[in-house]
Amino acid sequence: GQQVMQIPQYQHVQEGEDFTTYCNSSTTLSNIQWYKQRPGGHPVFLIQLVKSGEVKKQKRLTFQFGEAKKNSSLHITATQTTDVGTYFCAGGGIGGSGGGADGLTFGKGTHLIIQP
Amino acid sequence: GEEVAQTPKHLVRGEGQKAKLYCAPIKGHSYVFWYQQVLKNEFKFLISFQNENVFDETGMPKERFSAKCLPNSPCSLEIQATKLEDSAVYFCASSQSTGRAFFGQGTRLTVV
Repeated sequence: GQQVMQIPQYQHVQEGEDFTTYCNSSTTLSNIQWYKQRPGGHPVFLIQLVKSGEVKKQKRLTFQFGEAKKNSSLHITATQTTDVGTYFCAGGGIGGSGGGADGLTFGKGTHLIIQP
Repeated sequence: GEEVAQTPKHLVRGEGQKAKLYCAPIKGHSYVFWYQQVLKNEFKFLISFQNENVFDETGMPKERFSAKCLPNSPCSLEIQATKLEDSAVYFCASSQSTGRAFFGQGTRLTVV
């Protein structure tokens, strides 16, 4: 079936270093969303990308959507301890009609571990 | 309210017992989703609703899982005859349209 692959599974960085996680879909996505989940918590929405080649920034976070709408990345500049958590990409519209009730297909997440 | 409310937070069931989980979506959101997150953090889509109608249930093991979203009632996810492999955190999410999903705090189901 349709899959969203996400790498790396784990990323250890020193505080202040940059961090990047990548997602790749086997099929074209209608949109891609990014979520952050803290240990024991629930996924918290970060952003949604819809357009081919779209780039969005939120302070130290930069999100990109590939030209073919099959891949995406999240880059964090100068990580801080508050960035710790698992970052998930989630593809929308995979195998569905592209409507609001299509479930998201999540990547397996990247665990960001920050060493002070 | 402005958050998705899930109850209970924790649920322990003996193997073979029934489990029922509840979700109150954000008022005004037309879409409700259930996801299962297992220990390796992988999310599995179970089912989605558009208002009270099932939209997509391709992720549901139908022989034991069922779900409803009835008017003026919390949505529910029921597991008949639980198995050890059903142990997971079950998240409910709601959304207005083809965008941001708001997730509840989850229900941690432990089958012993």
